[in-house]
Amino acid sequence: GAVVSQHPSRVICKSGTSVKIECRSLDFQATTMFWYRQFPKKSLMLMATSNEGSKATYEQGVEKDKFLINHASLTLSTLTVTSAHPEDSSFYICSARATGLYGYTFGSGTRLTVV
Amino acid sequence: KQEVTQIPAALSVPEGENLVLNCSFTDSAIYNLQWFRQDPGKGLTSLLLIQSSQREQTSGRLNASLDKSSGRSTLYIAASQPGDSATYLCAVGKAGGTSYGKLTFGQGTILTVHP
Repeated sequence: GAVVSQHPSRVICKSGTSVKIECRSLDFQATTMFWYRQFPKKSLMLMATSNEGSKATYEQGVEKDKFLINHASLTLSTLTVTSAHPEDSSFYICSARATGLYGYTFGSGTRLTVV
Repeated sequence: KQEVTQIPAALSVPEGENLVLNCSFTDSAIYNLQWFRQDPGKGLTSLLLIQSSQREQTSGRLNASLDKSSGRSTLYIAASQPGDSATYLCAVGKAGGTSYGKLTFGQGTILTVHP
C-alpha cells in the first residue's frame, strides 16, 4: 500500500516551452503532497507543499509563477515548469503521506532536461 | 532552521562487513526521522521510520536509532551485500505549526559494497 506514481520518468524539452509532471497517489488519498528538487550529487530541497483544493505553499526562493502547482483532487498533484530554461534541468520528486501512516512515500522522480 | 548532516559522505566496504551511517540534526523539535535509500537516477525508497517518541526501529538487517536530545540518528547495516550499494538519505520531519510534514534532508552517504 501507499504507492505514489510519478510521470513522466524522463522528459527533454526545448527552452521556452512548458512541461507538466504528474504525481498520483494510487491507493490512498493525499490532501497534501510535496514537491522536491534534487541537483546532481546534492540532497533534496523542498520546493512547495501542494494542498488539495487550495493554493500551494512555496518555499523561500522558489518562483511560484515558474513552478505552477495544481492539486485538483485527493489523488493528483501536478507541477508545471513554465518557460523552461536549461538551469531548470534537474530531478524532481514528489511525495505524499497516507492517513494513518507516519512516513512519507516518494514517487520515482522525473529527470527534466531543458535543451 | 533545521540542518541535517550525514557522515561519512561516502563509504566503501567489502561484502559482509557491518557498518554504521550517521545523521545529525540541529533542531530537536522533530516529528519523526526517516531513512531512505536512493539508487542512481531513481526515486526514494523508505527504509525505516522512527517517531519522535521512539528510540529505534529494525527491519531485517537494518537498525536505526534515534537520540532526539543529542540530535543524532544512526543506521546500522549488518552483513552488507553488494545490493546494498546506493545513496542513503536521512530526513527529519518537523513537528507542528505551518511546517508540519516538511522533511529536511541530509546530503546523503554514498555506500559501495564490493564483492
